[in-house]
Amino acid sequence: KAGVTQTPRYLIKTRGQQVTLSCSPISGHRSVSWYQQTPGQGLQFLFEYFSETQRNKGNFPGRFSGRQFSNSRSEMNVSTLELGDSALYLCASSLESAGALGTQYFGPGTRLTVL
Amino acid sequence: AQSVTQLDSQVPVFEEAPVELRCNYSSSVSVYLFWYVQYPNQGLQLLLKYLSGSTLVKGINGFEAEFNKSQTSFHLRKPSVHISDTAEYFCAVRNTGFQKLVFGTGTRLLVSP
Repeated sequence: KAGVTQTPRYLIKTRGQQVTLSCSPISGHRSVSWYQQTPGQGLQFLFEYFSETQRNKGNFPGRFSGRQFSNSRSEMNVSTLELGDSALYLCASSLESAGALGTQYFGPGTRLTVL
Repeated sequence: AQSVTQLDSQVPVFEEAPVELRCNYSSSVSVYLFWYVQYPNQGLQLLLKYLSGSTLVKGINGFEAEFNKSQTSFHLRKPSVHISDTAEYFCAVRNTGFQKLVFGTGTRLLVSP
């Protein structure tokens, strides 16, 4: 079974621009979570989607948003980019059954550099 | 709220020596515990997890961890490391009701010949 895929793998943007990152979960997984990884703040939870609905959100400004499609693929968007948004953005998917939350499996990440 | 402490930012060790990476957590509710490994320029790979049951859990690549509720610890161990184990290791907790993982700051394991 294919793992979590993320596109693009690398991205360079300038301050003020916006960016959209994509994540395709493992087949059958309906929960998708996003994390930001930086040297200073470590790994931080951004948000989680399940069945096209945002279930949980971390402590990030409104410039960070996301959505999930009916096929469980997810996108996250960052508007008005700042230098501090440079990070590795990781997506994780998990399987839920009978209301039990599954283990999260991570993709390779998208490395975003803001100049 | 949960928190995770990984006291050692870096652990140097010689090949074939044993290693222990320490993880302590804080939570007012029941949690699940995880160890993930990250190789350079890659995402996170699940090493092992504790959900319930036996407090000694075995994972991939010869790693194991022991859940100690009284000491709120979940230390990772390997009896004999290889050069290929050089990577960053993250301990994470999650409460039983939400899909939000709270990570420690990571421990860089450096294995030398």
